[in-house]
Amino acid sequence: GQQVMQIPQYQHVQEGEDFTTYCNSSTTLSNIQWYKQRPGGHPVFLIQLVKSGEVKKQKRLTFQFGEAKKNSSLHITATQTTDVGTYFCADRGSNYKLTFGKGTLLTVNP
Amino acid sequence: EAGVAQSPRYKIIEKRQSVAFWCNPISGHATLYWYQQILGQGPKLLIQFQNNGVVDDSQLPKDRFSAERLKGVDSTLKIQPAKLEDSAVYLCASTPLLGNTIYFGEGSWLTVV
Repeated sequence: GQQVMQIPQYQHVQEGEDFTTYCNSSTTLSNIQWYKQRPGGHPVFLIQLVKSGEVKKQKRLTFQFGEAKKNSSLHITATQTTDVGTYFCADRGSNYKLTFGKGTLLTVNP
Repeated sequence: EAGVAQSPRYKIIEKRQSVAFWCNPISGHATLYWYQQILGQGPKLLIQFQNNGVVDDSQLPKDRFSAERLKGVDSTLKIQPAKLEDSAVYLCASTPLLGNTIYFGEGSWLTVV
């Protein structure tokens, strides 16, 4: 089945620094969704990208979908302590099946 | 709007015992998912229902895991007998038919000792 790789596995930043996580696949992704999971919490939907080359912004978060639809990225500008958590990408494939990457754990030092 | 409800929140059992988890999705959501999330990993799909039919159960260990959604609303996931490696959070999620946003419940935390 579809495999989605995510890097890095961990990222520790100082508050105010930027952060980026990358999602890659060897095959074409259908739709990419991004989720945030706070420590001890459940995944919360952030956004869905559908079109090749699509870029969407949510305040300090910028989401991109690659031109070939084989990669995606999430960039956070000027991190805050509230950004702490694990960020997952997930391929929304046929039959609305969701295949998650392993996630990137972000920690922020105040 | 009420969210996805799951119970119990926490369960500790001994290996070879059985356990059942219950999920009530958001009202009107046709699609219901059960995911297993082992600590430090991404959620892994166990089974996906659309109404009361199974769409995908390819990763469900059918020798010990079973799930049902008899009336197309709430669902139960059962493990019998449990193994140590079943220790994980079991997440239920739902979405409207053709919907994009998937809503997760708080999860049921299982520890097998």
